[in-house]
Amino acid sequence: NAGVTQTPKFRILKIGQSMTLQCTQDMNHNYMYWYRQDPGMGLKLIYYSVGAGITDKGEVPNGYNVSRSTTEDFPLRLELAAPSQTSVYFCASSYSGSTGGNEKLFFGSGTQLSVL
Amino acid sequence: AQSVTQLDSHVSVSEGTPVLLRCNYSSSYSPSLFWYVQHPNKGLQLLLKYTSAATLVKGINGFEAEFKKSETSFHLTKPSAHMSDAAEYFCVVRTLGGAQKLVFGQGTRLTINP
Repeated sequence: NAGVTQTPKFRILKIGQSMTLQCTQDMNHNYMYWYRQDPGMGLKLIYYSVGAGITDKGEVPNGYNVSRSTTEDFPLRLELAAPSQTSVYFCASSYSGSTGGNEKLFFGSGTQLSVL
Repeated sequence: AQSVTQLDSHVSVSEGTPVLLRCNYSSSYSPSLFWYVQHPNKGLQLLLKYTSAATLVKGINGFEAEFKKSETSFHLTKPSAHMSDAAEYFCVVRTLGGAQKLVFGQGTRLTINP
């Protein structure tokens, strides 16, 4: 298993440009998440999905969009990039078993995004 | 709302000495708490979790944490630090209701001195 795969690893955008961060997992996990990590701020949840066709906002969704057409893929879209979106982005997935224990997240290696 | 506060942004210890990373939680219910570790340029990895069973929880790589309700704390400890323990550590609480999500603390950077 490859686990959670994110692409690209690094990207520089100009203000106003758009891009999509790709995330795919091969563990048949139903839950998927997008977090951003800013220095000294921990991780903040942007969007999450509890299954194909279902998405919901996290703590900091403004300026982002997601879709979940398949179990494996959960792309994150930035429509009009702003300097405030400079951050490290992590995709994660987890399995929600019968006890609802979806706390063990499997993380991708991250995408370093700079908006200049 | 559930939240966690990590009391130190940076901890520095010598190799072979004990490690203590402090975390306080806020929750109106008995919380589910976790510690995650992030090595440089890597994703996060689950170290251990507390889900209302034993209050002393053992994790990977010799780490353990003790849930103390009276102090609303969930501090992470290790008896003897190793150079490979140098990383960022996150205390995490799981929210209640609906789709349960994880709320991360600000992180503590652990430096190990030779």
